[in-house]
Order: sequence, then C-alpha cells, then structure tokens
Amino acid sequence: DAMVIQNPRYQVTQFGKPVTLSCSQTLNHNVMYWYQQKSSQAPKLLFHYYDKDFNNEADTPDNFQSRRPNTSFCFLDIRSPGLGDAAMYLCATSREVLSNEKLFFGSGTQLSVL
Amino acid sequence: AQSVTQPDIHITVSEGASLELRCNYSYGATPYLFWYVQSPGQGLQLLLKYFSGDTLVQGIKGFEAEFKRSQSSFNLRKPSVHWSDAAEYFCAVGNTNAGKSTFGDGTTLTVKP
Repeated sequence: DAMVIQNPRYQVTQFGKPVTLSCSQTLNHNVMYWYQQKSSQAPKLLFHYYDKDFNNEADTPDNFQSRRPNTSFCFLDIRSPGLGDAAMYLCATSREVLSNEKLFFGSGTQLSVL
Repeated sequence: AQSVTQPDIHITVSEGASLELRCNYSYGATPYLFWYVQSPGQGLQLLLKYFSGDTLVQGIKGFEAEFKRSQSSFNLRKPSVHWSDAAEYFCAVGNTNAGKSTFGDGTTLTVKP
C-alpha cells in the first residue's frame, strides 16, 4: 500500500501559469520534504516541513512555495513556471529529521512546461 | 562540505552476472551512508544503509554494500543480477537532517538478456 502518494502523476502547465503539486502520507511522519530532480541528476532538496515549521533551502528560488495544512498533506506551488522548472518533483517523509532516519519517497510528479 | 561521487554514469551487465556499483564520499566525521534505487518514473527506494558496526551491510533485493573507511568508499554489490534490477542507483551520505543527505549523480544500470 502506497504510504506517500503524489498527485498527479504527470502534470502539464503553460509557461507562467501557476501550478500546484500534491503530496499526502499515511505514515503520520513529522517531516515532509520536496525535491526537484532533473533528468539524470540527483534529487535537489527545495524545502522541508518539520510539523508546521517551514525550512527553505538557501538556493531555492522564490518562485517555489509550499504549504502544509495538516500532518498528512503538503503542497508545492510554483507561482510562475518557467521552461527550466520542467522536472520530476519528489515528495518524501521521515519520522524525524535525524540523520539516521529512513526517507520514504512518493512516486513523483513529472512536470512539463509548455 | 560533504560530497558523493559515483564514478560510473552507466553500467551494463548481463543477467546473472555479478554487479558492483562504486561510491566514494567525503565527510568530516563518521558518515551515515545510503543506497537508493529508482526505477523509471518512480520515486527512490532505500536499499540499505550504514551507520556503524559491521562494515558489510545487507539490504533488500539481495544487495549488499561494504563500508571501507580507508578508501572512503561504500560500494554496492549483488552476486547475480536480475533483469528487474535495471534502474538508477543513488549513493547518499547523511547530514544532520535525514532529508538533507547529499546524493551522488546516480549510476544507470542496464541489464542485458
């Protein structure tokens, strides 16, 4: 049974048109992460939530925002997508932020920008 | 700063052959090390991890990895590869925050019939 669920599986948007990607989890984990992964590259952490506390990575563009209305759901908002934002977006969770914690990944949302 | 190098971008092996994927890391203290597998169009799945203790760790799907401090390596091995093992493999070194692990750029494994 899927524990970290990302919707939709594929998303197509237009240049400059806001888009929201969704992630939900059934693990009741404290931490939720969003990564951007471009083709043949390592996942790049954009930000994470520890409970309601938002933690942005220093090099994450302002164009990327996130919301976590409750423990189970976390959203990635791209305010004005550019062609360079086309990528796979991965959501992950962990029970705590400790370095030995296991990360649980969703299957990702593949974003195309036309 | 921590870093991970996966020297092989792409490896092709025959089904049934043995496999070794290389990973070298740079980290100031005792590292937490991970191997993840990513099938096409999927998220990452943890294969195994090393924190301390026995330097040979066993993982899922018949994989194992050996931590060698002297070589700053954490190579992934499997004695007999199956066609379903074709995927991308990422090595990662842990940070104080689990999600901030530094990932290598990945090695794509192709399995020939």
